[in-house]
Amino acid sequence: GQNIDQPTEMTATEGAIVQINCTYQTSGFNGLFWYQQHAGEAPTFLSYNVLDGLEEKGRFSSFLSRSKGYSYLLLKELQMKDSASYLCAVKDSNYQLIWGAGTKLIIKP
Amino acid sequence: EAEVAQSPRYKITEKSQAVAFWCDPISGHATLYWYRQILGQGPELLVQFQDESVVDDSQLPKDRFSAERLKGVDSTLKIQPAELGDSAMYLCASSRGLADQETQYFGPGTRLLVL
Repeated sequence: GQNIDQPTEMTATEGAIVQINCTYQTSGFNGLFWYQQHAGEAPTFLSYNVLDGLEEKGRFSSFLSRSKGYSYLLLKELQMKDSASYLCAVKDSNYQLIWGAGTKLIIKP
Repeated sequence: EAEVAQSPRYKITEKSQAVAFWCDPISGHATLYWYRQILGQGPELLVQFQDESVVDDSQLPKDRFSAERLKGVDSTLKIQPAELGDSAMYLCASSRGLADQETQYFGPGTRLLVL
């Protein structure tokens, strides 16, 4: 079967750095996406990785290792507004997105 | 910036009633998705359209759910009759196509409560 694993919940301090991990086992691989979802709202696109390595976009960076079936989302200089769920999703061989359950990130002052 | 539109934003209904949700994708996006999301879980794909054709509806409970995208633009998802377990967020997303790098963009969602 296809599976995406993420921690259920993480807590971090305002101004700090946090790394959210995602491991996957899918039928084929056509890219990995990270989305941010605030409570009661729709997911919004953060990043896309298809090649190994680090993609940096402002305070957010995303890393991919295809050989290890592993990705992480790195958030720097945390702000209170970063409190949200972060969803990892992999596009499989049929170009369908397989979604993780999301990691709820709690930011404390 | 173009957005996916959905209505209504909230819907409260009684079980056994019919409900309908509407979605208007980003202009020019050929692929449209309907998802259901239960609190604390990731989105679950219900149906996927490529233009007006259904590409995947394997997870759609066809005894009570139906979806259409008649002109290949906007789409409607219907539930009849609604059941208590249907209470969830219903999300519509669109993308330009199916290629690996094509990103899905989500509408604001419809939160359904079945009493």
